[in-house]
Amino acid sequence: DAKTTQPNSMESNEEEPVHLPCNHSTISGTDYIHWYRQLPSQGPEYVIHGLTSNVNNRMASLAIAEDRKSSTLILHRATLRDAAVYYCILRSTGNQFYFGTGTSLTVIP
Amino acid sequence: EPEVTQTPSHQVTQMGQEVILRCVPISNHLYFYWYRQILGQKVEFLVSFYNNEISEKSEIFDDQFSVERPDGSNFTLKIRSTKLEDSAMYFCASSEGGRRGETQYFGPGTRLLVL
Repeated sequence: DAKTTQPNSMESNEEEPVHLPCNHSTISGTDYIHWYRQLPSQGPEYVIHGLTSNVNNRMASLAIAEDRKSSTLILHRATLRDAAVYYCILRSTGNQFYFGTGTSLTVIP
Repeated sequence: EPEVTQTPSHQVTQMGQEVILRCVPISNHLYFYWYRQILGQKVEFLVSFYNNEISEKSEIFDDQFSVERPDGSNFTLKIRSTKLEDSAMYFCASSEGGRRGETQYFGPGTRLLVL
């Protein structure tokens, strides 16, 4: 699977928007971009995914660059409950997700 | 909202003992997975299961591991003879299909400690 690069950590103030970047310069045309998050001592939780177009759901928005070599997860109003490790994952062949080290998001009250 | 459940939440065992970790996937899902996460490390894929057989497995999933769907609802991971290095969180996941756009839904995990 193609590799993704994310910052190790980010901070945000509560109730502010958060933009979590992900670079995936070797993405292929059929790779889906998935975002998961993992709260402390919990299983990974699905956030959002997309292929080419920007996507919105009740949790977040996903902005995908026109060349698809990067994407940004947008949390519109960070809450304390959003403090987690966020994983950007490319899904190509096979059944498995390859989790990297993700971005650890700290939300400051 | 349907969710994946796992039992037990915690398991402590002696080295060399067999353990069985249980999962109930979401009811209309057809693909099932096990992942593990050693403390402080990445989430790692172990195995995927579809149509009553293993569809994919990683190098971690050696002969000590096996999976089974013993009935219409449970999906189990067995470790035959546990080692200290098997201590980890084990996550079960399920998905409706196996395509690249499919979402995998994860359970809360079983924390296994091998002494």
